[in-house]
Amino acid sequence: AQSVTQPDIHITVSEGASLELRCNYSYGATPYLFWYVQSPGQGLQLLLKYFSGDTLVQGIKGFEAEFKRSQSSFNLRKPSVHWSDAAEYFCAVAPRGGATNKLIFGTGTLLAVQP
Amino acid sequence: DVKVTQSSRYLVKRTGEKVFLECVQDMDHENMFWYRQDPGLGLRLIYFSYDVKMKEKGDIPEGYSVSREKKERFSLILESASTNQTSMYLCASSSSGTGLWEQYFGPGTRLTVT
Repeated sequence: AQSVTQPDIHITVSEGASLELRCNYSYGATPYLFWYVQSPGQGLQLLLKYFSGDTLVQGIKGFEAEFKRSQSSFNLRKPSVHWSDAAEYFCAVAPRGGATNKLIFGTGTLLAVQP
Repeated sequence: DVKVTQSSRYLVKRTGEKVFLECVQDMDHENMFWYRQDPGLGLRLIYFSYDVKMKEKGDIPEGYSVSREKKERFSLILESASTNQTSMYLCASSSSGTGLWEQYFGPGTRLTVT
C-alpha cells in the first residue's frame, strides 16, 4: 500500500544543535516529495520540494532535504536549530503521473527546542 | 503576500447543528482543499475542488459536503454535526500543473462539537 512514514513523533534538540527529521515513503515509483512546517497556531507552510534533478534540495529558513532513492527516504536537515524552529513538521508525497490529485501527508514530527 | 483566510479560528457547536466553515483565497488559485487534522493522524483530505462548482471526494468525505460558487471561496458544510467531527479544519489552495502540490494553508478552524 502507498504510504508515507515519519517514525519520530516527538524530537527535542538544543538550540544550535543540528537536526534531522526522517521521512520514508512506499510507492511504486518515486513520487513528488515535500516538507511542510506548522508553527503553533498557524497553517502549514511549504519548506521545500523535490520533483527531479539534484537530490539535495534547499528550502526556506535554512532547511535542506536529501532524496535517497535506495532508501526511499527524504530526510529534512538543518545544521543549527533556532528556538523559532519549534513547530510540527510534515512530510508529504504526491504520486507522479497518477490519477489522483492528492497530497499524502505523514503523521508529523513535533520538534521542541530547548535553550 | 499570498493569503488564505478562514472565517473562524475557534467554533463551538452542538450535536445535530448544521455548521458552515468558510475559506477565502486571494491568489486566483484554481484548486482548493479541505483537510482535517487530528493528533497522530496527520492531515486527511475531506474534499477538493479544481474549479468553480466542481468537487472531488477526498479520503474522508462522509458527513461533509462542500460548495464552491466563486473561485476564491470554498465552503465546508457539516450537515449534522457529531462529536466525532471535533477537530482542526484546514483549508488550502494551489494553482494548476506542478503548482497543484504547492499548497497554501489557512490558519485553521478548531471546531468543538458538544
